Amino acid sequence: GAGVSQSPRYKVTKRGQDVALRCDPISGHVSLYWYRQALGQGPEFLTYFNYEAQQDKSGLPNDRFSAERPEGSISTLTIQRTEQRDSAMYRCASSARTAAQGGYTFGSGTRLTVV
Amino acid sequence: GENVEQHPSTLSVQEGDSAVIKCTYSDSASNYFPWYKQELGKGPQLIIDIRSNVGEKKDQRIAVTLNKTAKHFSLHITETQPEDSAVYFCAAPGAGGGADGLTFGKGTHLIIQP
Repeated sequence: GAGVSQSPRYKVTKRGQDVALRCDPISGHVSLYWYRQALGQGPEFLTYFNYEAQQDKSGLPNDRFSAERPEGSISTLTIQRTEQRDSAMYRCASSARTAAQGGYTFGSGTRLTVV
Repeated sequence: GENVEQHPSTLSVQEGDSAVIKCTYSDSASNYFPWYKQELGKGPQLIIDIRSNVGEKKDQRIAVTLNKTAKHFSLHITETQPEDSAVYFCAAPGAGGGADGLTFGKGTHLIIQP
C-alpha cells in the first residue's frame, strides 16, 4: 500500500480483556517496528522484525505483550489481560532497511483505552 | 542503552525567524540521527537525518548539525512558516537490546507566531 496502515484506529476495552492490534506495512519493507507513545512523549521502542523474524523484544513491558509477523508482512501486537496502564497510542513503522541505515515510515497508530 | 535528551520542550518564534532544537545522546557508537515532525493526530514523519561521517546536512529551510565529540546534534529551521508548527522529535539508534531500534527524545512543541 501507499503507507503503513494500522487497525483499529481506536480501541476501547475493559480491563482484563485481550486485544490485538494490526499493522500492515508498506509493501516490500523488510523491517517492521512497534512503538508505544504516551501523550506528550516521544515514541518508546517495543519490538521489531526483519522479515518474519523477531529481532529484538526487549522493549516489551512484560509477558502480557507479544508480537508476531508470521509471513513477513502483516504484524499483530497482542496484549493479554489488559490493564489501565496499557492505555496509550500504539504505533507501527516500517523501513526498507534497518534503522541504522535509514528512517522509518510511521502509521497513524491505534489509540488504546482500557477502562 | 541509548539516552537522548531534547531541549527545549516548547519553543515559540515569530514567523520568519529561525528555530533551533538541540539533542544530546549518550552512546558514542551511535552513527545515525534522524529528526521527525509530528502534526496533530498524525504519526511522526521523517524530515531529515544525518550520519556520523558528516557534520552538517541541509534540505531547503531545514538543516541538521552534528558534533560527535560533544555528542550533540541540532535541528535548524530558517524563515519559519505557520506550517512548521508541530512537535519535533530527535532520535538515535540503540533502543532495547540492539542497534536497530530508535530512542526518541521527549519532543519539542514548536509554535510559530504570526
